Amino acid sequence: KAGVTQTPRYLIKTRGQQVTLSCSPISGHRSVSWYQQTPGQGLQFLFEYFSETQRNKGNFPGRFSGRQFSNSRSEMNVSTLELGDSALYLCASSPEIPGNTIYFGEGSWLTVV
Amino acid sequence: AQKVTQAQTEISVVEKEDVTLDCVYETRDTTYYLFWYKQPPSGELVFLIRRNSFDEQNEISGRYSWNFQKSTSSFNFTITASQVVDSAVYFCALSETETDSWGKLQFGAGTQVVVTP
Repeated sequence: KAGVTQTPRYLIKTRGQQVTLSCSPISGHRSVSWYQQTPGQGLQFLFEYFSETQRNKGNFPGRFSGRQFSNSRSEMNVSTLELGDSALYLCASSPEIPGNTIYFGEGSWLTVV
Repeated sequence: AQKVTQAQTEISVVEKEDVTLDCVYETRDTTYYLFWYKQPPSGELVFLIRRNSFDEQNEISGRYSWNFQKSTSSFNFTITASQVVDSAVYFCALSETETDSWGKLQFGAGTQVVVTP
């Protein structure tokens, strides 16, 4: 069974640009969530999508957005990039039943210069 | 407010020693789930164990064991007979259910485990 797949793995962007990250969940998983990991703030929840609807949102500015498609694949977008957006962005997927294991992808390493 | 606290920043051990990682959580939910993840330098969060709030039976899985105590809101994790491959950052995480937010994990700050030969 394929795991959670994130693309791209590494990318470098310039301040002011925007970036789109993609996540393909494990087959059959309908919940997809995104996390940002930085050395200073640790692992922080960005948002969660379930059946194409955003169900939860973390405390991030509106520059961070996401969406989920009918096949459960998800994308997150960061507009007007700032240096502080440099981070590892992790995607996770899980089945719809509470308490099931939440599986993570390998992450996308974003560097903003 | 921080809901998951991992007070140990780094633990260094020699191979074959046991390592116990502490985790204290805070929640008002009666039903919740606790997880431990391992993060090697590659970045991927690898699932290790999960426990639900209504089952306090402690278990052992291979070299891993955990001690869940609701009375003290603790969910400690032990690696027995550590190996160099166990070197990684370990995260404790909480999933709360009563606000329909079970898909959201709240993580502790992580504990770096260094196992030397």
